[in-house]
Amino acid sequence: EAQVTQNPRYLITVTGKKLTVTCSQNMNHEYMSWYRQDPGLGLRQIYYSMNVEVTDKGDVPEGYKVSRKEKRNFPLILESPSPNQTSLYFCASRGFRRGNTGELFFGEGSRLTVL
Amino acid sequence: RKEVEQDPGPFNVPEGATVAFNCTYSNSASQSFFWYRQDCRKEPKLLMSVYSSGNEDGRFTAQLNRASQYISLLIRDSKLSDSATYLCVVNEAAGNKLTFGGGTRVLVKP
Repeated sequence: EAQVTQNPRYLITVTGKKLTVTCSQNMNHEYMSWYRQDPGLGLRQIYYSMNVEVTDKGDVPEGYKVSRKEKRNFPLILESPSPNQTSLYFCASRGFRRGNTGELFFGEGSRLTVL
Repeated sequence: RKEVEQDPGPFNVPEGATVAFNCTYSNSASQSFFWYRQDCRKEPKLLMSVYSSGNEDGRFTAQLNRASQYISLLIRDSKLSDSATYLCVVNEAAGNKLTFGGGTRVLVKP
């Protein structure tokens, strides 16, 4: 089954404690992206990657890091989480090759609370 | 001005009625357009792409008006299960950047 898998789905942590949210896709998609969703602000892009070893900042990159060492994985790293990073996070992927529709496939989301 | 704007709603719709709402975009070079559906606390899922000539998928009709820079979604014969937030997504020409609107919430009531 084609899917994007995020872990953890729920996490409560404290300010300053480094954490990583993993994201993996099994569709051989070139493009992967991280979004955060907050009430009244909609979905905002944090970082994206067009392919392995290629990453770029989105609209709200501050406080986050990413890496794309393998095509299927795109982890989101919060080196020193702060309460304003409490949010619902979505990872997504899409393919650009012939046969792909360009549809963005989302993971189920990771709800993060930073105390 | 936001790049992609939607009326947040909610649109309260009687079951069986028709509802329509728009999404405006600011970049005239935008190339492709989509409607996604998001249920509460769930991930967004593609509802339909929007083609230049307009397109229909069952009870859903999407239209694109490039001159006025908006897309629309019309839902006919609304079902209770249509209650959701509908996200407008615009693909800008450069860099395959996708920009999301804030979403329009639709509540279908018996």
